[in-house]
Amino acid sequence: AQKITQTQPGMFVQEKEAVTLDCTYDTSDPSYGLFWYKQPSSGEMIFLIYQGSYDQQNATEGRYSLNFQKARKSANLVISASQLGDSAMYFCAMREGPSNDYKLSFGAGTTVTVRA
Amino acid sequence: DAMVIQNPRYQVTQFGKPVTLSCSQTLNHNVMYWYQQKSSQAPKLLFHYYDKDFNNEADTPDNFQSRRPNTSFCFLDIRSPGLGDAAMYLCATSRGGIYNEQFFGPGTRLTVL
Repeated sequence: AQKITQTQPGMFVQEKEAVTLDCTYDTSDPSYGLFWYKQPSSGEMIFLIYQGSYDQQNATEGRYSLNFQKARKSANLVISASQLGDSAMYFCAMREGPSNDYKLSFGAGTTVTVRA
Repeated sequence: DAMVIQNPRYQVTQFGKPVTLSCSQTLNHNVMYWYQQKSSQAPKLLFHYYDKDFNNEADTPDNFQSRRPNTSFCFLDIRSPGLGDAAMYLCATSRGGIYNEQFFGPGTRLTVL
C-alpha cells in the first residue's frame, strides 16, 4: 500500500497567490515525522518543513506552512505569496518509527509552475 | 557551511564500464543514504548506512554496491552500468531518529552511453 499519496501531478499558480499541495499518509505507527521537500530543475532536494506526529501546532517556516490534520491523515503544504522561484517539484515524505530503519517514504510529487 | 557534497555532478560512462560516485558530508551525521531518481519520479532508496551497519533494500540490484570507509565518506559503485541505470543519484545524510530531516547533496547525473 502507498504510504504517501500526492494526488496532484501538476499545478499552476499565479505569482503572489497562495497554493496548497495535498498529501495524505498511511501508517499505524503512533510516532512518525512528515516532511516536505522542494526539488528545482537543478535536481537538489531542499528540505522545507517538518511536522512531528505529536506536535500540537501546525508547523510554519517563512512562507511555508503545513496544515496537519491527524485524524484525516493529511499533511498539506501551503505556500503563501508564490514567487517565480517556487516553480519546482514538491515531495511529501514520511519517516516512521525505528522499526523502519529511519527511511523516508516519498510521495510521487507535485510539479508547481508559478506564472508571472 | 556544513553540507553534503557529491562528486562528480555529471558522470558519463559506457555500457558495462564500472563507475564510482562519491559523497562526503561535514555534518557528522551517522546515517547516510543513496537514492536513485529517474525523471519525474520520486527518489528510490538503494541502501543506507547507520554508522557502519549496511542496509540494502530488497529490490536493489546486485550491480549496485556501496562503501563507507569512515563517517564522512560514502561511495556508490555500479559494477556494470546498463542503459536503465541512467538517472540522478542522490546522497543524503541524517542523524538517527524519526524527527530528523534528511539533508541531500546536489546529486550526480549519470549518463550511460
